[in-house]
Amino acid sequence: AQSVTQLDSQVPVFEEAPVELRCNYSSSVSVYLFWYVQYPNQGLQLLLKYLSGSTLVESINGFEAEFNKSQTSFHLRKPSVHISDTAEYFCAVSPIQGAQKLVFGQGTRLTINP
Amino acid sequence: GAGVSQSPSNKVTEKGKDVELRCDPISGHTALYWYRQSLGQGLEFLIYFQGNSAPDKSGLPSDRFSAERTGGSVSTLTIQRTQQEDSAVYLCASSPGGVARETQYFGPGTRLLVL
Repeated sequence: AQSVTQLDSQVPVFEEAPVELRCNYSSSVSVYLFWYVQYPNQGLQLLLKYLSGSTLVESINGFEAEFNKSQTSFHLRKPSVHISDTAEYFCAVSPIQGAQKLVFGQGTRLTINP
Repeated sequence: GAGVSQSPSNKVTEKGKDVELRCDPISGHTALYWYRQSLGQGLEFLIYFQGNSAPDKSGLPSDRFSAERTGGSVSTLTIQRTQQEDSAVYLCASSPGGVARETQYFGPGTRLLVL
C-alpha cells in the first residue's frame, strides 16, 4: 500500500517570495509521483510528474519538484510566486505496476498575499 | 477539445434516498476513475474501469456504492440509501490507456449534500 503526507495544510507567502510545499510518501513498490493543482472553483489539473530519468522536473509556469528516493520526498518549489498561484496543491503517487489509481496527500492550500 | 464532464454539478438529497452521478470521459480514453473529495478524508480513490476488464472496486467504502460503465464510455456512480457521511465532492477522471504513467484528466465534480 501507499501513503502520502503533505506536511503543511496551509502555506501563506507574500507575492514574489519563494515557496516550498513538502511531500513525503511511503510505498513498498516503485511509484510514479505527481503534483496536481486545484485553482479556486476549478477542477484538478496536472502540474508536473516524475516518471524516470532526471530527478528534477519542471512545469510550464515556473514550478519544479525534485524526486529524492533516499528521503522518499517530492517537494514542490517556486522561486517567486504570483497572486495567480493561489490554489490547493495535491501530491500523489501511483504504483508503476498493479493497481492503476492515484493515492493523494491531504493537500496544501497556498495563499499569496500582495 | 471537450474535457471530462460530470452531471449534475450539485445534488441535494435526503438521507435514505438513492442518487446517481454521471461522468462523460474524454472521447477515446479507455480508462475511467472515480474519486471522492471530502473534508475529513481528503481525496480517495473509489473505482477504476479499464476497457472491457473487470473494474477495480477496491476503494468503494460500502456495498451501498456501485458504478457501471456502459459501452466503454459514460459511467454512472450510484449511492443507495444515502447517509450524511456520503456528503462530498465526487470527481471523475479519465486517461488514454489506463497506464500508471499517464496523466489523469479530472472533471469539475459533483457536489453531493445529504441532509
